[in-house]
Amino acid sequence: EAGVAQSPRYKIIEKRQSVAFWCNPISGHATLYWYQQILGQGPKLLIQFQNNGVVDDSQLPKDRFSAERLKGVDSTLKIQPAKLEDSAVYLCASSLVDLAYEQYFGPGTRLTVT
Amino acid sequence: KNQVEQSPQSLIILEGKNCTLQCNYTVSPFSNLRWYKQDTGRGPVSLTIMTFSENTKSNGRYTATLDADTKQSSLHITASQLSDSASYICVHPDADKLIFGTGTRLQVFP
Repeated sequence: EAGVAQSPRYKIIEKRQSVAFWCNPISGHATLYWYQQILGQGPKLLIQFQNNGVVDDSQLPKDRFSAERLKGVDSTLKIQPAKLEDSAVYLCASSLVDLAYEQYFGPGTRLTVT
Repeated sequence: KNQVEQSPQSLIILEGKNCTLQCNYTVSPFSNLRWYKQDTGRGPVSLTIMTFSENTKSNGRYTATLDADTKQSSLHITASQLSDSASYICVHPDADKLIFGTGTRLQVFP
C-alpha cells in the first residue's frame, strides 16, 4: 500500500514570497490533515478535511495560509506571503475516516524562510 | 498548558542498552494513547495504539505500558540499536483533534 506522498521535500524562499505544498493521501482515506511542526515541538494541526469539506481550520492563520482539497483526494497548502516564523516542517496525514482510525503521515516538506 | 507531557526531553544511551520514556496526560475522557517514532527528516510513524483495556502492548523491541488511573504511559526500548535514534512522541485524542506531546529525543551511540 502506497503511503502519503508530499512534495516538494525541501523549499527555501525569502520572506514575503509565496509557496505551495502538495499532498496525495493514501487511496480511500476520507480525512486529510495538514500539520505544522516547528523544530523541537510536536505537530500542530492547521486544517482537517473530510472528503473535500473543512472539518477544522481553527488554527490556520487565514490571513496568509490557505488550503484546498479538490475532489476529496489531493490537497494543496499555500502560504502567501511567507514570514520568517513560518519556517517549519509541514506534514500531511490521512486516515480512513476520522481520529478513531490511525493517522498515516507523509515525509513532510521542510520550509526555510530567509 | 500542554495536556500531554513527556520526559525526559532528550536521552543519550549506548547501543544495546535499554531505556524507558515517560508520558503523562491530562486529557479526559480517555480515548486511546498512541506512541509515534519520528526519524529526522521524516513524518511520524505509529508504534502502538493502546486502548483502555490494555495495560501492556509490544511491537518488537518496543513495549508500551498504560496506567489509566494515574494517566501515565511509558515506552520501553529493549536492546537499543543505532536505528532507534529518533524522536518519540506520545499522542492522545481530545474530541476531534490529536494532542501531541513535545517528544523525547533519543540518541543511541555505538
